Amino acid sequence: GIQVEQSPPDLILQEGANSTLRCNFSDSVNNLQWFHQNPWGQLINLFYIPSGTKQNGRLSATTVATERYSLLYISSSQTTDSGVYFCAVERGGRGSTLGRLYFGRGTQLTVWP
Amino acid sequence: NAGVTQTPKFRILKIGQSMTLQCTQDMNHNYMYWYRQDPGMGLKLIYYSVGAGITDKGEVPNGYNVSRSTTEDFPLRLELAAPSQTSVYFCASSWGGKQETQYFGPGTRLLVL
Repeated sequence: GIQVEQSPPDLILQEGANSTLRCNFSDSVNNLQWFHQNPWGQLINLFYIPSGTKQNGRLSATTVATERYSLLYISSSQTTDSGVYFCAVERGGRGSTLGRLYFGRGTQLTVWP
Repeated sequence: NAGVTQTPKFRILKIGQSMTLQCTQDMNHNYMYWYRQDPGMGLKLIYYSVGAGITDKGEVPNGYNVSRSTTEDFPLRLELAAPSQTSVYFCASSWGGKQETQYFGPGTRLLVL
């Protein structure tokens, strides 16, 4: 498979702070998604971003496919941002496998009021 | 649209018992997936399906079976439950396979004692 490493594993912030989460991957990809798993376990898709930059409100993401990493930015964090953030990738090129996503172990974010 | 629904939400099984985890999507998606999430880990793919009547193994298929008789339903069967199958199970779907956003159900928490 493809290796996906996320950092940091844990992040504690005060409300209003900004943060950057990183995802490194070991091979070329044609699909990269960021997910937020809320404290109730629900997985919410944040971004589909195999390359380039996207923004959605206080969240933005950038993927530099040639250097095999992606960044998720959270600005002005709120307590509702707490949870686990996962990066998931699908291997690209000749190794592409029909939507099979490989997940990192996630970043546990805790935002205090 | 209800999206992806899963039943039951929570189940306790004894070793050796069998059960079926149900998954239904109402988005007319062709592709469906089953993942498991162990504590502190990312998700791992168990099985996936590219359409009715077509299924294939993922990373961790041992101890599980699937079927896909309709576009909407993708049940996951555990024949002889083992403690190693204690996990949270997520079903997901996408319209296509490669390079598509996957949408996740709320999960089924399974405890095998």
